[in-house]
Amino acid sequence: RKEVEQDPGPFNVPEGATVAFNCTYSNSASQSFFWYRQDCRKEPKLLMSVYSSGNEDGRFTAQLNRASQYISLLIRDSKLSDSATYLCVVKPSSGSARQLTFGSGTQLTVLP
Amino acid sequence: GAVVSQHPSWVICKSGTSVKIECRSLDFQATTMFWYRQFPKQSLMLMATSNEGSKATYEQGVEKDKFLINHASLTLSTLTVTSAHPEDSSFYICSASYGPLSNYGYTFGSGTRLTVV
Repeated sequence: RKEVEQDPGPFNVPEGATVAFNCTYSNSASQSFFWYRQDCRKEPKLLMSVYSSGNEDGRFTAQLNRASQYISLLIRDSKLSDSATYLCVVKPSSGSARQLTFGSGTQLTVLP
Repeated sequence: GAVVSQHPSWVICKSGTSVKIECRSLDFQATTMFWYRQFPKQSLMLMATSNEGSKATYEQGVEKDKFLINHASLTLSTLTVTSAHPEDSSFYICSASYGPLSNYGYTFGSGTRLTVV
């Protein structure tokens, strides 16, 4: 089983749509969770961190369910500029190497 | 703050030659740098972790004699792909962690697209 699993998509949605991405992780001791965005041929960029209480940043809402080891990202009112690959990223438990584990990414295309 | 500069951004080389990729931390000291490889439509795969002043730690399946990593200073880490072959064509990205272990941040270089012909 992969450490971080995501639905690869692709998700093709019209502008203005709401779209949700899911992610599961296998290490229950994982410490922190993030969503990164990667545009084609570019480096990943941090979109937002994910907290147990859920957090929102404009049109983006992230949720974490530690009991189910499940993370989600909701994008409301999709824009053309939201087209990218969204990576679910997990930071291991404290004390281990300073590294992140990446999901394989979910590709989103927002259509006009 | 916490910027990593990576270059070249792209390189085309002939099979059998070596290519060096550099990553520099511009405004912080990067004691740990990570090198990733990403094939089309796949996720970033960690190749190795490099610590300043010591040997890099390679992930399983990554040949340390083929992918030479040097981290001689707190601001510079290099990855050399030796005797490159077409199957080494990929997107290589470095990353550095900064801050305390209890709450470290993470920043990426802009990546190097390597094409071996």
